[in-house]
Amino acid sequence: AQRVTQPEKLLSVFKGAPVELKCNYSYSGSPELFWYVQYSRQRLQLLLRHISRESIKGFTADLNKGETSFHLKKPFAQEEDSAMYYCALSGYNNAGNMLTFGGGTRLMVKP
Amino acid sequence: GAVVSQHPSWVICKSGTSVKIECRSLDFQATTMFWYRQFPKQSLMLMATSNEGSKATYEQGVEKDKFLINHASLTLSTLTVTSAHPEDSSFYICSALNPGQGSSYEQYFGPGTRLTVT
Repeated sequence: AQRVTQPEKLLSVFKGAPVELKCNYSYSGSPELFWYVQYSRQRLQLLLRHISRESIKGFTADLNKGETSFHLKKPFAQEEDSAMYYCALSGYNNAGNMLTFGGGTRLMVKP
Repeated sequence: GAVVSQHPSWVICKSGTSVKIECRSLDFQATTMFWYRQFPKQSLMLMATSNEGSKATYEQGVEKDKFLINHASLTLSTLTVTSAHPEDSSFYICSALNPGQGSSYEQYFGPGTRLTVT
């Protein structure tokens, strides 16, 4: 079974402070991991995926297979980063590909 | 980019009635679409995977007779909540898999539909 855990429901930081949103996963195969973001009153959108190793809006995430983690980091948080962040794992069910989401972390960046 | 729409964006219905929610991929063909349910301040829960031209695959605990899914074309999937009850009130979100992304697996999400059953 595949599972994604985001231990923090809420993370509150001041503008300019570093931020790390934690994500741990369990999956028996080779995982493909994503971070999705949901800004207030907007749809869920992809922030980044581990295979592309890119930085989006200053966010990065490194897959650590030894620790089964995919933490999202940003060195200097901005107020516009306030949103819900979901870590997701791509796996397979009987129908094919599926995404399993973590519980989400609400990031609040205070001025 | 790939756009997914949902209609309606919100709906209120009475207990015992049925309501249909549409999910459309606007600028790409989606052989696979997904239906999620999201409770307030909670994460998305996959309800079912919808493959064009075949029966949907439901996740454990999701009543297939209550949540009817039809994926009759490559750009449209529908979710019908039958004999709705207040506990079915929720935010329903669909997503579509864009095969144009090559080996990368990415779902594009609709804006969601808020269902309130009175």
